Formats: sequence, C-alpha cells, structure tokens
Amino acid sequence: EAGVVQSPRYKIIEKKQPVAFWCNPISGHNTLYWYRQNLGQGPELLIRYENEEAVDDSQLPKDRFSAERLKGVDSTLKIQPAELGDSAVYLCASSLAGAAYEQYFGPGTRLTVT
Amino acid sequence: QKEVEQNSGPLSVPEGAIASLNCTYSDRGSQSFFWYRQYSGKSPELIMFIYSNGDKEDGRFTAQLNKASQYVSLLIRDSQPSDSATYLCAVDLTSYDKVIFGPGTSLSVIP
Repeated sequence: EAGVVQSPRYKIIEKKQPVAFWCNPISGHNTLYWYRQNLGQGPELLIRYENEEAVDDSQLPKDRFSAERLKGVDSTLKIQPAELGDSAVYLCASSLAGAAYEQYFGPGTRLTVT
Repeated sequence: QKEVEQNSGPLSVPEGAIASLNCTYSDRGSQSFFWYRQYSGKSPELIMFIYSNGDKEDGRFTAQLNKASQYVSLLIRDSQPSDSATYLCAVDLTSYDKVIFGPGTSLSVIP
C-alpha cells in the first residue's frame, strides 16, 4: 500500500512569490492534515479536513495561506505571497476518520524563502 | 503555559543503557497520548500510544502514563545507536478534537 505522497520535496523561492504544495493521502483515509514544522519544533497543525470539509483551520494564517481538498482526496496548500518566516517543512498526514491517534505522515516539503 | 512540554535535550546515553524521555501536558481532559519518532530529515512515525494509567510495553519500549500528574514518559531499554532520533510526545486534546505535538526531545545513543 502506498503511503502519503507529497510534492515537491524541496522548494526554494524568493519572498513575495507564490508557492503550492500537493498531497495525496493513503487510499481510504478520510482525514487529511497539513502541518508546519519549524527547525527544532514539533509539527503545528495548520488545517484538518474531513473528506472535503475543512473542520479545523484555526491556525491557518488566512491572509496568505489557502488550502483546498476537492473531491475529498488530494489536497493543495498554497502560500501567496511567501515571507521569510514561512521557511519550514510542510508535512501532510492522513488517517481514518476519528483516528487522529494514528496519523501517517508524508515525507514533507522543505520550503526555503530567500 | 504550553499545551505539551518536553525537555529539548539533547539527551545522550551510552549504548545498552535505558533512555528516559518525559512529557507533561496541560489539558486534564486529554485521553490519549502518543510517542512519535522522527529521524533527522524524515517525517514522524508513530511508535507507541497509551490511554490508561500505568505502563504499556512493546518490545524495548515502555510508555508510562500518570493522568493525576499529567505526565507521560517513554523508556527505551537496551538503547541502540539506531534509536538516535527526536522523540515527539503528542496529546489528544479531546475537548478540541485535535492532536497537539510537543517540541520533541533529541536522543543520541553513543556506541
């Protein structure tokens, strides 16, 4: 069974430029999470989807970040415009519905904003 | 007060010793507690979870939970160099239906 797939793995952009990350969860996993992990810190939840509905986006900086999960499968996280402080690893995870205790993480996208 | 706290380390132990990793949490209503391991440059992977007070053993790993003290720990017996990683404590905040991660403790097992 394939794991959580993310792309790209690495991205370097200049500040004020837009960037997008893509995630394909494990087949059958209704719940999808986007996390941001800064160096030396634990993952911080940005948004959680149950199927196509965003049920928790309280930590998503909505002035510059947006996300979508059309058809309840793949998801895209976008930043526009990027700032220097957005440099981090962006992790996507998925789980069965109601099973936040057993999340499977993708390899992450390392974003560097210069 | 942060919701989940861990000593950042680094914690260094000799090969074969017991490594003890600690975590405290602030939400008394939390019901579920997890330990994730994260190798450098890799994504977190779940290694243990515990719901009830007491100990839960899985191979060389033992998770301990004390809800009255709001304290969770992970013991790694017979530590191996391959155990060198960052260990993330995560807590299920039942009242908010979300899992919160601590900052992680870096463990280094010295051969």
